[in-house]
Amino acid sequence: DSGVTQTPKHLITATGQRVTLRCSPRSGDLSVYWYQQSLDQGLQFLIQYYNGEERAKGNILERFSAQQFPDLHSELNLSSLELGDSALYFCASSVRHNYGYTFGSGTRLTVV
Amino acid sequence: DQQVKQNSPSLSVQEGRISILNCDYTNSMFDYFLWYKKYPAEGPTFLISISSIKDKNEDGRFTVFLNKSAKHLSLHIVPSQPGDSAVYFCAASGNNAGNMLTFGGGTRLMVKP
Repeated sequence: DSGVTQTPKHLITATGQRVTLRCSPRSGDLSVYWYQQSLDQGLQFLIQYYNGEERAKGNILERFSAQQFPDLHSELNLSSLELGDSALYFCASSVRHNYGYTFGSGTRLTVV
Repeated sequence: DQQVKQNSPSLSVQEGRISILNCDYTNSMFDYFLWYKKYPAEGPTFLISISSIKDKNEDGRFTVFLNKSAKHLSLHIVPSQPGDSAVYFCAASGNNAGNMLTFGGGTRLMVKP
């Protein structure tokens, strides 16, 4: 157990639907990062939050949004889902100036 | 535009031999490099890192080499063990807001008994 918890582990949904992925960071970590991994591809950075505020943005689609709550857990919202959104979505957390991330085990999203 | 590239999608090595995984980067602002290991159905786990002020960092069987002039780093595993079979990602970080890591596409290492 890495200390970063992601739920659900698996999600199957239809095109056009909306889903929410949840991440609880490791205790004491203020930064949360979201990454997408499609079809054995590399990890693509989506977005980062630090202590409740958006810190950096990567290749995140407009249909996707995220937030970090006062208790530091984060949610990634994916809407108007398309088949190509099927992927593994990873959350990671870190202490602010710590270059090492701790990853959760991911949520596998399948859009049918 | 891939700033971090791992040109070998897979590598097969005999148990006991050396495994060498390579990674190239293009952004000269990167100053910290990491290797992550990923088993199926698990998230990536941190393996070893190196700062740009060094050219080598060693941790047990794992050594990372950095060649800044060539913008190239490599991970050496000696001796390789079957339990090392996994996907290895290199990642780089620069002086960017948020401490965001840029990952390569990964190399699948298979260590044969």
